[in-house]
Amino acid sequence: DQQVKQNSPSLSVQEGRISILNCDYTNSMFDYFLWYKKYPAEGPTFLISISSIKDKNEDGRFTVFLNKSAKHLSLHIVPSQPGDSAVYFCAAPRWGGKLIFGQGTELSVKP
Amino acid sequence: GAGVSQSPSNKVTEKGKDVELRCDPISGHTALYWYRQSLGQGLEFLIYFQGNSAPDKSGLPSDRFSAERTGGSVSTLTIQRTQQEDSAVYLCASSIGASGDGYTFGSGTRLTVV
Repeated sequence: DQQVKQNSPSLSVQEGRISILNCDYTNSMFDYFLWYKKYPAEGPTFLISISSIKDKNEDGRFTVFLNKSAKHLSLHIVPSQPGDSAVYFCAAPRWGGKLIFGQGTELSVKP
Repeated sequence: GAGVSQSPSNKVTEKGKDVELRCDPISGHTALYWYRQSLGQGLEFLIYFQGNSAPDKSGLPSDRFSAERTGGSVSTLTIQRTQQEDSAVYLCASSIGASGDGYTFGSGTRLTVV
């Protein structure tokens, strides 16, 4: 039962362009979403979050958009930089604080 | 310490052996989680500890897996009679409360069962 889905395992983008990472969810009870970033041999680190009462949250080059009717969220990175190359996971908390993660999307930003 | 510490960072074990993985959470974090990431897969929830409450073991894949958290701090994940499909990166995370907001992850233990 994959309640949080990232259907694109990988994405390649040119430096300076926009990266768009997508995430879909099935549980309409989710009211908060998070994005994590993971470099090889490191643990994931928290990047940005959004509450379901908003449809957009921006933090520097990173913006997350939430479309509740479509049960879809996306992470935009503008402009993309080679240091952004990593695996990005979206996640949603279930009762008790447990996070349900998507499968991840590996972003490669080419100079 | 300043972060979540996991040991060992790498473990190679023979099929059928038992292994113990350790996690030292951030001091004061009451919630502790274990996840694993198999090759090409996402983060799979295993078990969750919150304060003195009974742990949520709903993600443990079989009865060969167990975990404990002593004194509300250090946690040990034990895998008995390891199988090749147990090969994965095992990640521990801690957080201040149970909101699911902003885990701090350790760097993980890469387990290889040969």
